[in-house]
Amino acid sequence: NAGVTQTPKFQVLKTGQSMTLQCAQDMNHEYMSWYRQDPGMGLRLIHYSVGAGITDQGEVPNGYNVSRSTTEDFPLRLLSAAPSQTSVYFCASSYSTPPGNTIYFGEGSWLTVV
Amino acid sequence: GESVGLHLPTLSVQEGDNSIINCAYSNSASDYFIWYKQESGKGPQFIIDIRSNMDKRQGQRVTVLLNKTVKHLSLQIAATQPGDSAVYFCAEKKWGNQFYFGTGTSLTVIP
Repeated sequence: NAGVTQTPKFQVLKTGQSMTLQCAQDMNHEYMSWYRQDPGMGLRLIHYSVGAGITDQGEVPNGYNVSRSTTEDFPLRLLSAAPSQTSVYFCASSYSTPPGNTIYFGEGSWLTVV
Repeated sequence: GESVGLHLPTLSVQEGDNSIINCAYSNSASDYFIWYKQESGKGPQFIIDIRSNMDKRQGQRVTVLLNKTVKHLSLQIAATQPGDSAVYFCAEKKWGNQFYFGTGTSLTVIP
């Protein structure tokens, strides 16, 4: 099983550039989320989706955009990259109801903005 | 605001000893908690979970204890092995299916 797949694994951007981090899951999960992980900060929620066509903001949504046109895919867009967005990004998915609340994470995308 | 925090950022244990990693939470309404393990360069992996109607739950070599009175969560790892070296996060379920994570405890197992 592929689980949660993120691409790219590594990316370097110049300030002001835009890009999209791709995320796909093959578990038919309703919920999908994007987190960023910074040193000493743990994981912080950026955006999430409870199903196709529905998205909402998390803790740190500024500078990011998401869409959920299908159950499988949940891309994260950086509109105009800033050095403060240098981080490791994790996509995650889960079922919507117990007992399937466990979150499954992708392997991460390392982004550097110079 | 409400947050999940860990008491110790680093922990070193001798191989074969038991490890205890602690976590404090402040949202008394939280009803579900998960412990995750994150190895270097990888995404977090589910270890064990517990619901608020339980005080203890055991898995393979791991036990999670929940003390709702003092809003404290702990992860116990029995007979710690070198492969247990990683960062451990506790996560607290907020509204819907969204989780908020602590900053993590780095566990180092000394051979």
